Order: sequence, then C-alpha cells, then structure tokens
Amino acid sequence: QQQVKQSPQSLIVQKGGISIINCAYENTAFDYFPWYQQFPGKGPALLIAIRPDVSEKKEGRFTISFNKSAKQFSLHIMDSQPGDSATYFCAASYGQNFVFGPGTRLSVLP
Amino acid sequence: DGGITQSPKYLFRKEGQNVTLSCEQNLNHDAMYWYRQDPGQGLRLIYYSQIVNDFQKGDIAEGYSVSREKKESFPLTVTSAQKNPTAFYLCASSTQRGNTEAFFGQGTRLTVV
Repeated sequence: QQQVKQSPQSLIVQKGGISIINCAYENTAFDYFPWYQQFPGKGPALLIAIRPDVSEKKEGRFTISFNKSAKQFSLHIMDSQPGDSATYFCAASYGQNFVFGPGTRLSVLP
Repeated sequence: DGGITQSPKYLFRKEGQNVTLSCEQNLNHDAMYWYRQDPGQGLRLIYYSQIVNDFQKGDIAEGYSVSREKKESFPLTVTSAQKNPTAFYLCASSTQRGNTEAFFGQGTRLTVV
C-alpha cells in the first residue's frame, strides 16, 4: 500500500513533442503529490505539486493531471526541450511520510 | 538563502573505514531524511528523523547510523558493516505540517577505493 508505481521507466521524445509520465498509488491517506526533476550528479528539485482536491495544475510547460477515483496522476511536459532531459520522480506524501516512484529517465532529442 | 547543504560533494572510503556525511539545513524544518540512490535507480530511505533526539530506521538502515542532536543537523555515518557503500547519498528535509514537499541537498557521492 505504500508503493507508488511509475511508468515508463524511460522515455525518448523529439524536441517540441509532449512527454507524459504516469504514476499510481494505493494508499488513500496520501494528501500531496509532488514531482521532482533530477539532473545527473544533482539532488532532485521540486518541479510542481498538486493536492487531491484539484484535478489539474499547470505551471508553464508542465501540467499535472490528477484522477482521485482512479488513484492516478500524471505529468505532461508540453513542447519538450533538450534541456528537459533528466530523471523525473513522482511522489506521494502524508504528513512527513514520503513515498517516491522509481523514476523515469527522459531524453529529448534535438 | 535557505536550503540544505551536504558535504563533502565527493568522498572516498577505504575498505573497513567509517565515514560521516554532513547535512545541514537552515529552513527550520523539523523532519530530515537520508536516501541512497544507486545508478539508474530510485530513492531508498535509510533513516529519518521527525524531531531532535529522535530518529527511525528506513528501508535499508543496516550498516548506517545517524544522530540528531540539533534541529539543523542530521549527519549520516556509513560504517564498515555496510558492504556495498558506493552510491549517491541524498539528504532531505520537510516541515511538520501536511501538504508539503521534501527539499533535497545536492548529494554526496561516496566511492569505496
């Protein structure tokens, strides 16, 4: 119940395309869903986050879609750029408890 | 600027040695965490602390030890009992309230030589 599943494991997208990463959870106690971006040799940095009372949140080219009934959420990166090439982690939290997905390695081809 | 500082950035350990990784935060966060990341892998929780002088084991605590004597500091010791310590170690912190994210340091890469 503490797991967060994430897919795909790796993703290759052409420049200008849409990158979509999906996550799913089981524990309904989770009340916050952040996404992190990690470049090689660096720590993960918060990208965007959503609460379960919101179905969609957009920040620039990044959008989170949240489906509470299906217990699924996804990250959409519009107009993907080579600089977006990184590993992306979804996470679910309640209180001080965090569970991270296994990560998706995104490569955006120029 | 508020943030989490990990040091050193790179650390080399000889077989049989204990080494200590530093993590300091000035975000006034109550909770602090240590994660291990292996190449191409996700984050595995080693230890976490929700308050000063208290900490709990995570999923892979064997061969590691921590202390939390100050709110700002949460050092991690990798002991000689950890048979495969080569990895990227990440420290994080968060507030006590809900609907919050964890903030990460820049990591320490530990290599056994």
